[in-house]
Amino acid sequence: KNQVEQSPQSLIILEGKNCTLQCNYTVSPFSNLRWYKQDTGRGPVSLTIMTFSENTKSNGRYTATLDADTKQSSLHITASQLSDSASYICVVSEKTSYDKVIFGPGTSLSVIP
Amino acid sequence: DAGITQSPRHKVTETGTPVTLRCHQTENHRYMYWYRQDPGHGLRLIHYSYGVKDTDKGEVSDGYSVSRSKTEDFLLTLESATSSQTSVYFCAISESGQGATEAFFGQGTRLTVV
Repeated sequence: KNQVEQSPQSLIILEGKNCTLQCNYTVSPFSNLRWYKQDTGRGPVSLTIMTFSENTKSNGRYTATLDADTKQSSLHITASQLSDSASYICVVSEKTSYDKVIFGPGTSLSVIP
Repeated sequence: DAGITQSPRHKVTETGTPVTLRCHQTENHRYMYWYRQDPGHGLRLIHYSYGVKDTDKGEVSDGYSVSRSKTEDFLLTLESATSSQTSVYFCAISESGQGATEAFFGQGTRLTVV
């Protein structure tokens, strides 16, 4: 069964610190992986997308990595800001079905002053 | 929010009543999706549409129906609302299938069934 798991479930860090969120998936055949940021009370917004051949992609202070062999991805946030407080969702798509994707449960990040 | 409007934003309804949620887009995207989001679960697909009058079921479609008579509107109907359908509902749009192109989400509708 295709699944996406994320860890930790929640995380609290001090403003200015770095953090790394993890995503493990069993989706096969793999097509691509996206990280979304969801602010409280709003819909998710895409941060990055990575395909099989990409192993690092950055978007400002967000850097995503992908290891397609071990089926793991991470999202690294540098110099965190209060506005980074949100849920971060890993989403994986399967090559044989572009109509639908598989969402992870998300990691809830709280950045405190 | 990329030209997506969900209405209503909040609704409280009684068990057994029908409820319709509306998603309206101004982007002319082909695909539209309805998801529900509950604590402890990822977003779960209810139904989606790949064109006018073309719809398909998602993983949690029981108790829900959809209609798409125009490109810009995608309606989600709870035929007879139950307490288990209390949730936050998100509409999403994408140019082609969500696995191939970026999806854009609405702001959500919080539905409470009492």
